[in-house]
Amino acid sequence: DQQVKQNSPSLSVQEGRISILNCDYTNSMFDYFLWYKKYPAEGPTFLISISSIKDKNEDGRFTVFLNKSAKHLSLHIVPSQPGDSAVYFCAASPNSGNTPLVFGKGTRLSVIA
Amino acid sequence: SQTIHQWPATLVQPVGSPLSLECTVEGTSNPNLYWYRQAAGRGLQLLFYSVGIGQISSEVPQNLSASRPQDRQFILSSKKLLLSDSGFYLCAWRTTGEKLFFGSGTQLSVL
Repeated sequence: DQQVKQNSPSLSVQEGRISILNCDYTNSMFDYFLWYKKYPAEGPTFLISISSIKDKNEDGRFTVFLNKSAKHLSLHIVPSQPGDSAVYFCAASPNSGNTPLVFGKGTRLSVIA
Repeated sequence: SQTIHQWPATLVQPVGSPLSLECTVEGTSNPNLYWYRQAAGRGLQLLFYSVGIGQISSEVPQNLSASRPQDRQFILSSKKLLLSDSGFYLCAWRTTGEKLFFGSGTQLSVL
C-alpha cells in the first residue's frame, strides 16, 4: 500500500515557466513533508520541507503548498531552469519519533531550453 | 559540520558473491541510520534502519542484512548476491524529527 503517491512519473516544462509537481498521501498521521531532488548516480539532496502547522513554505524559486484536508502537497518551481532537470521525490513522516520517511516513486522533471 | 561517507561508488559483482557496503557519519552522535535502494526506473525503497548500536529494523524480506557495529557506522551485507540485487544503494542519516541526509550512493551491478 503506497502511503505517498506521485502520480506523474514525468513532466516537461519550458525554461522560464512554472513547474508544478504533485504528491498525495494517505496516512493522516503524517505531519512533516519534504521534497528531495536527485540527479543520476548521486544521492538525493534536500530541497524544502513543510510542517503541518503551515500551508505554505517558500525558499527562493521553490514553494511547497500543503492542503491537509485533501492530503495533497505540491512543489512549485518558478522560473524553471535547465539545471532543475532531475527526479523529484516527495517524502512524509510523523514529526516525532524515529519513524522513517516514506518516499513517493518520484517525478522526472525535464526543463527544456 | 556533519558529513556522510559511503563507498565504493561503483561495484560489479558476480551472482553468488558476497557483498559489503560501508557507510560512516561524522559530526553527529547517535544518528538514525538508513539503507535505501533505487532499482532502475523505480523509487526509493527503504531496506533497513537503525536507531542505535546493534538495533536493526528490516523493512523488506530479502537476502540482504545490515549491521551497526559502532554508533556512526552502518554496513549492508549479503552472503550471496542475486541478479535482482542490482541497483543504486543509498545510505542516509537523520536525527529524530529532522530531515534526512543522503550519501553519494553505490551503483551495484550483479552479473
